Amino acid sequence: QSALTQPASVSGSPGQSITISCTGTSSDVGDYNYVSWYQQYPGKAPKLMIYDVSNRPSGVSDRFSGSKSGDTASLTISGLQAEDEADYYCSSYTSRRILFGAGTRVTVL
Amino acid sequence: EVQLVQSGAEVKKPGESLKISCQGSGYNFARNWIGWVRQMPGEGPEWMGIIYPGDSDTRYSPSFQGQVTISADKSTSTAHLQWGSLKASDTAMYYCATTQWLRHFQHWGQGTLVTVSS
Repeated sequence: QSALTQPASVSGSPGQSITISCTGTSSDVGDYNYVSWYQQYPGKAPKLMIYDVSNRPSGVSDRFSGSKSGDTASLTISGLQAEDEADYYCSSYTSRRILFGAGTRVTVL
Repeated sequence: EVQLVQSGAEVKKPGESLKISCQGSGYNFARNWIGWVRQMPGEGPEWMGIIYPGDSDTRYSPSFQGQVTISADKSTSTAHLQWGSLKASDTAMYYCATTQWLRHFQHWGQGTLVTVSS
């Protein structure tokens, strides 16, 4: 059982915006601004998309954005494209540990 | 360009030992934490432990403490993950990745699939 809760699946049509939530507690997501998001294609390694809640690593499209409110963090994908179809995982630092969510499958309709 | 190249897939029997590796290049290996992450089929990643190659300072997740050993050789820019006695439940994909002290994992290796079966 993962410590961070994500919806199992989210879908959208090309061009639309979707948001994936990641709910933790006041001890992890709510207490640290160290939430990150990873994209993973089947059979491939995860790729860091967002770190420290809302920062994008160099080379990541600005269609990806992150935010946080209380114990819940969110990843928004704007202008959804076919290549965005993948699994997305959130993570949060907490007290010398890092927690991950179980993942959200994004489907582009 | 930062690259982490992991050793190849392994098939082992329960009770056997195993050591897998992860060689880093394109950055200062000794001065950056590197960690190991397990991912079981259909599940999210799990942090196993991290090591600072410069002085071999190692931190383990409570879930993996005593189950695995993490080491690093800064002379060859290689990190290792090893088991003394494998179990079927160790079957998973294992990734190495650079980390900013568990705030996030930045650069990832391609993964090493470990299969433990009698």
